[in-house]
Amino acid sequence: SQQGEEDPQALSIQEGENATMNCSYKTSINNLQWYRQNSGRGLVHLILIRSNEREKHSGRLRVTLDTSKKSSSLLITASRAADTASYFCATAAYSGAGSYQLTFGKGTKLSVIP
Amino acid sequence: KAGVTQTPRYLIKTRGQQVTLSCSPISGHRSVSWYQQTPGQGLQFLFEYFSETQRNKGNFPGRFSGRQFSNSRSEMNVSTLELGDSALYLCASSLDRQGALTKNTGELFFGEGSRLTVL
Repeated sequence: SQQGEEDPQALSIQEGENATMNCSYKTSINNLQWYRQNSGRGLVHLILIRSNEREKHSGRLRVTLDTSKKSSSLLITASRAADTASYFCATAAYSGAGSYQLTFGKGTKLSVIP
Repeated sequence: KAGVTQTPRYLIKTRGQQVTLSCSPISGHRSVSWYQQTPGQGLQFLFEYFSETQRNKGNFPGRFSGRQFSNSRSEMNVSTLELGDSALYLCASSLDRQGALTKNTGELFFGEGSRLTVL
């Protein structure tokens, strides 16, 4: 079952604009991660934010985490055509017996128009 | 450092057949996870192997199985294929167990996937 749910499902913006994607989840988590997937390819890790962190930056990426609302957002600033891809949030939640499981949402499809 | 390698990249099977997919993790990584990706269901967790033992399993029927070898390479098998098994099967490796932050960043490194079409 899906733990994280991304919103919106699809987003189309002009090059140079900012893109914001949101992720909501249901249970307590250890950490939350964002991944990018170019069409039909494997996923690439973008950024990880731990449950005790509120904000994290990496280059043009900014991630926030609000554990009280069980939500996260990914902001891509000054978007480029090369940012066109699907973006997934993944939550690492305790699954018992000392193990965690990463569960992915269905993703946001971002199109950046040159 | 070589990335995660999945073979074959593409394959076509017919209903009732079985298929075996292979995954070679990044050197030194001990955890291998498998995911099924379809347009309707998104990324669904199949199972995770760590040190040759299945540590976690998703909600898939027993037709889906896997194993991990001593060199951390992993295979997954799907028997009695159904049309609904058509999907992109992704393998991901990590140094430590999924989600663990003890020895690494907890991130997964994905292969390019094996695209299975069942006719």
